[in-house]
Amino acid sequence: QSALTQPASVSGSPGQSITISCAGTSSDIGACNYVSWYQQHPGRAPKLIIYDVSTRPSGLSHRFSGSKSGDTASLTISGLQAEDEADYYCSSCTTSNTLVFGGGTKLTVL
Amino acid sequence: QVQLQESGPGLVKPSQTLSLTCSVSGDFITSGHYYWSWIRQPAGKGLEWIGHVYTSGSTNYNPSLKSRVTISVDTSKNQFSLKLSSVTAADTAVYYCTRGGWGTTNVVYWGPGTLVTVSS
Repeated sequence: QSALTQPASVSGSPGQSITISCAGTSSDIGACNYVSWYQQHPGRAPKLIIYDVSTRPSGLSHRFSGSKSGDTASLTISGLQAEDEADYYCSSCTTSNTLVFGGGTKLTVL
Repeated sequence: QVQLQESGPGLVKPSQTLSLTCSVSGDFITSGHYYWSWIRQPAGKGLEWIGHVYTSGSTNYNPSLKSRVTISVDTSKNQFSLKLSSVTAADTAVYYCTRGGWGTTNVVYWGPGTLVTVSS
């Protein structure tokens, strides 16, 4: 199975919105609604921020939103804040009942 | 609240078998409908799913690692384990044990991770 494709880096200024894409195939994102996004700060374990394509865990800021179109999922962060600077990973189940991650995107808040 | 904690040797010699254990508290591995997974991350690189064991005991592995991986459950200790054979320096990484959401592969709970270095 091949890793999902994410941009290596994105950046934005405080208050702006950014979108991170996650491209897959008809064997993963295109066939599965268990698409998740994770935020990872340096030296920490990843944290689930979006699951089932667009659902936020309880208590998570509404500034984070997810969507999917065909074989590509997207994460949008609105009203960028300094603490949003982190690495972001997408994941998807596959038709083989395995899990595949994206390569990760480093978000820089300018 | 579910808590997971990885444990095992931090240093493994090349060609040997890496063995890690995940101790689970706040939940029972044999109850519900959950995927208990191992995920790793080499320094400065992305996440790689290694495999999972479902509540029923069935397992699935990353095809690229399948020939070397075994994930098993010890219900008496409420633990699950990872064995990765014939390791090389490329297996050096932080290893995380995790639990998914109800019946899904979304990774909800993560252990803090443990660094395993493969070196002679």
